[in-house]
Amino acid sequence: EDQVTQSPEALRLQEGESSSLNCSYTVSGLRGLFWYRQDPGKGPEFLFTLYSAGEEKEKERLKATLTKKESFLHITAPKPEDSATYLCAVRANSGGSNYKLTFGKGTLLTVNP
Amino acid sequence: ETGVTQSPTHLIKTRGQQVTLRCSSQSGHNTVSWYQQALGQGPQFIFQYYREEENGRGNFPPRFSGLQFPNYSSELNVNALELDDSALYLCASSPPRTGELFFGEGSRLTVL
Repeated sequence: EDQVTQSPEALRLQEGESSSLNCSYTVSGLRGLFWYRQDPGKGPEFLFTLYSAGEEKEKERLKATLTKKESFLHITAPKPEDSATYLCAVRANSGGSNYKLTFGKGTLLTVNP
Repeated sequence: ETGVTQSPTHLIKTRGQQVTLRCSSQSGHNTVSWYQQALGQGPQFIFQYYREEENGRGNFPPRFSGLQFPNYSSELNVNALELDDSALYLCASSPPRTGELFFGEGSRLTVL
């Protein structure tokens, strides 16, 4: 069974204090790792897709990286508006459905001014 | 470009009732998926529709059913509601070949 574990569960940063969120996964054949941002009471907002170990993608203050066992979401000089829950998800060969994603529980990030 | 829209945004039902949730896909997207997100949890895959047929299902009982229409919009139906069905129900659409999912804002269902 595909598994996704995110850590820490919650992270509190001061504005400008850089840090990383971790997503470790166990799948039988990775077909994509996805990062989403979710604000309270809202649907997840797509951030990145990574497909192979060594791949990196950037968007503003966010940078996602991928290894064979985990992915990191690096946040550089965060601002209060970066506060949200960050979700990691995988698509695997065992998924059956072409587009099924298995999600972690998320990391709740709070950035204080 | 209009994104994924869902209705209703909030609703309250009692145990044993039935509910229908609706979703309009983003323009150009031909695949629709439904997810259930309980409080404090990540979304869980319910099922996916492509060309008006279900082509993938998660660990949900048959009382969860759906439809996809020729314009790619979709419905999620849940019969015999249980208290544990209280959750945020998310619809996501996908453009051809990319596999990326774009979510709507969700329908918050409360079962009393």
